[in-house]
Amino acid sequence: AQSVTQPDIHITVSEGASLELRCNYSYGATPYLFWYVQSPGQGLQLLLKYFSGDTLVQGIKGFEAEFKRSQSSFNLRKPSVHWSDAAEYFCAVGALGSGTYKYIFGTGTRLKVLA
Amino acid sequence: SAVISQKPSRDICQRGTSLTIQCQVDSQVTMMFWYRQQPGQSLTLIATANQGSEATYESGFVIDKFPISRPNLTFSTLTVSNMSPEDSSIYLCSVGDSLNSPLHFGNGTRLTVT
Repeated sequence: AQSVTQPDIHITVSEGASLELRCNYSYGATPYLFWYVQSPGQGLQLLLKYFSGDTLVQGIKGFEAEFKRSQSSFNLRKPSVHWSDAAEYFCAVGALGSGTYKYIFGTGTRLKVLA
Repeated sequence: SAVISQKPSRDICQRGTSLTIQCQVDSQVTMMFWYRQQPGQSLTLIATANQGSEATYESGFVIDKFPISRPNLTFSTLTVSNMSPEDSSIYLCSVGDSLNSPLHFGNGTRLTVT
């Protein structure tokens, strides 16, 4: 069965520091991978996506993610965090199951940014 | 990207009653999904709303509790039936065109059951 694991429930970083949020997936075929961000009281916004090709993908707000098939990972990174990045981050995989498409979300990582 | 209108945005309901949530999209979409996000939790897929046929439910969700309609490619409803406080959650409508396109989300319906 398809699944997504985000090992870190909470992460705290100082403003200006680098950030890496981990995501591991389980899926038998080529995965379609996404990162979403949910700011407090807001809806979900797509940060970036990976379908094929270059394994390093760029997203909005200065985020990037790297797909590593050998590790079944799709970690999200940002070189310098801003206070406005404090939010909940969700990794998701698009999968084909039981003849229909669906998207499975990880449990999320809550990012806190220290001034 | 598609613009999704979800109604109501929030509601407070008494246990034992039912609430129907509407999801309207400004363009035809292939896929429509209903998710639940309980406080401080991730998104759990309830079902895929299939146009012109019965919805496909995920494990742990049943049609009697969460009946879904999708009469056309731009509209769907989710009903939360015979509600209990455990149903208090945010319910999200989402849409997509294909597996390699991202999901777009409505702003959600915040439901509180007392």
